[in-house]
Amino acid sequence: AQSVSQHNHHVILSEAASLELGCNYSYGGTVNLFWYVQYPGQHLQLLLKYFSGDPLVKGIKGFEAEFIKSKFSFNLRKPSVQWSDTAEYFCAVNARSGAGSYQLTFGKGTKLSVIP
Amino acid sequence: EAGVTQSPTHLIKTRGQQATLRCSPISGHTSVYWYQQALGLGLQFLLWYDEGEERNRGNFPPRFSGRQFPNYSSELNVNALELEDSALYLCASSLPPGQGNQPQHFGDGTRLSIL
Repeated sequence: AQSVSQHNHHVILSEAASLELGCNYSYGGTVNLFWYVQYPGQHLQLLLKYFSGDPLVKGIKGFEAEFIKSKFSFNLRKPSVQWSDTAEYFCAVNARSGAGSYQLTFGKGTKLSVIP
Repeated sequence: EAGVTQSPTHLIKTRGQQATLRCSPISGHTSVYWYQQALGLGLQFLLWYDEGEERNRGNFPPRFSGRQFPNYSSELNVNALELEDSALYLCASSLPPGQGNQPQHFGDGTRLSIL
């Protein structure tokens, strides 16, 4: 079964610091990769996605992620965080499960707190 | 466009009772997914419905069941409620998944509390 690991449970940064959130997955086949964000009091929103092509994908609000197939990684980055980036970030992998149907598997999430 | 809507927002039940949660997908979306977000466990996949059929099921007991109606809305039913069923239940919808590359759009969730 596929699994997704997010390395950091809670990250605290000052405004303007650079951000990198780690995400590794275990699945040997073709994967579709996503990062979702949940701002306080709001529902999960899609931040960015990777299906194929350029492994560096850009999302909303200045976020980007790089797919490194050899490392089974899909790390999220932002050069300079803002207080409004305070949220919980979830990495997710969509791949065929044992039953042959697609299943979206989430990491446990990383809480980002940005200090003004 | 209206997003995914879930009702009720909060549901309080006691052990052994049955709970019904409802979800309306984004217009044009045929797939509906259910997830459980329990404290410390992250989002766990429960069920996927597409075109009225159950397409996939997560590692949950049979007392978790659901259905999808002809208008693509969906119900999640949880029978014989247990204390550990207390969680936020999220519904998501998407266009037909094809090659698994359709992003899912999430609702605000139903908070189920078991006393």
